This record gives sequence, C-alpha cells and structure tokens, in this order.
Amino acid sequence: DTAVSQTPKYLVTQMGNDKSIKCEQNLGHDTMYWYKQDSKKFLKIMFSYNNKELIINETVPNRFSPKSPDKAHLNLHINSLELGDSAVYFCASSQGTIGYTFGSGTRLTVV
Amino acid sequence: EDQVTQSPEALRLQEGESSSLNCSYTVSGLRGLFWYRQDPGKGPEFLFTLYSAGEEKEKERLKATLTKKESFLHITAPKPEDSATYLCAAHQLSFGAGTTVTVRA
Repeated sequence: DTAVSQTPKYLVTQMGNDKSIKCEQNLGHDTMYWYKQDSKKFLKIMFSYNNKELIINETVPNRFSPKSPDKAHLNLHINSLELGDSAVYFCASSQGTIGYTFGSGTRLTVV
Repeated sequence: EDQVTQSPEALRLQEGESSSLNCSYTVSGLRGLFWYRQDPGKGPEFLFTLYSAGEEKEKERLKATLTKKESFLHITAPKPEDSATYLCAAHQLSFGAGTTVTVRA
C-alpha cells in the first residue's frame, strides 16, 4: 500500500486554467504538507495543515489554496495558473517531529 | 532568515570510496536537522533526524553527525545503489539544494 499518494502524477495545462492535485495518506499522521520543488531542486514548504489549523508560507500566492476534507486528505487547488507555477509538487505527512513521508510528486507544466 | 547550504553540488565516487557530504545551516533555535535521500522522479525518503550537537545516527553505510553549525553525512564504502540526491533540511522548512552522489561500479 502506498503511504502517501498523489494524483495526477503529471499535469499539463494552459495558462489561466484552474487545476487541483489530490493527496491522501494512510499512515494515520496528524499533519499534512504541500511542498514545491523548482527546477533548481530546492524544496520549499507551501502549507502545513494540522487538525484544521492551516499554516501558510507567506510567499505563496493566494491563487494556491489547500483543502482538507478530512485528516487523511489534503488537496491543492491552483487558480489562474501561470508559467512560473511549473514545478514538481510534493505532498507529505508526519506524526509529531519524526521525519516526514513524502508522496512521489506531481509534475505540473503550464504552457 | 533560515539558511541551509549543501556542498558539494555533485560527488562522483568509485565503489568502495568513502566520502562526506556537508550541510551548513544558519537557523534560530534548531528543532531538528533532517537528512533525506531522493531518487530521480520520486519523493524524498527520510533517513535521519538529529537534534543536538554531538549526536550521531547510522543506517547501513550512512552516518550522520551534527555540530552547532553543520551536519555531515558520511558514506562508507558506497555501492552503486547509494547513488541519489541527498537533501538536508532544518525544521523541515528550509531545505538545501542537495548533493547528487553518483557511485560507479
């Protein structure tokens, strides 16, 4: 069983579109995250979500919004996509401060 | 602002040739220094967490150490399957750019 699963794995879309990436974890972890990995391979945290408490990285544009229907899911919605949004997006989960479990990533390409 | 710098960017090793990767950090109140391994097309895989200077952790051919300003990941007698990008992170918030290790048979 995949611990943290993301869908889709690849996403190609045009500028201005709205898209969502889904994430599910079956580890029973209490916190979930979204990270962005740019072309230079830097991983940057975008959001963390714990028991309905959302912590947002201030540098993230408000076109990005996380939605958590329950503790096992944290989806990422992106409105009005821009070329600069092209990157690999990773979902992760954790329990406490133990090392995080990452999904396999969603490669988003905006054309 | 928290900063994490990894060196070298890339490391090419012969099988069995031990080496070390460096992770220098400038953070206020370290709440954990994390090491991950990332294979191409996959998400990072957790290796270690270090919390205080002097702490060491080992897993197979890997050993991580921590000082007040930097962490080292030592690879002893590496094998080709150790080829990957190794990432370090402070607090799980600030990641370095990684060191890509290639081990030749």
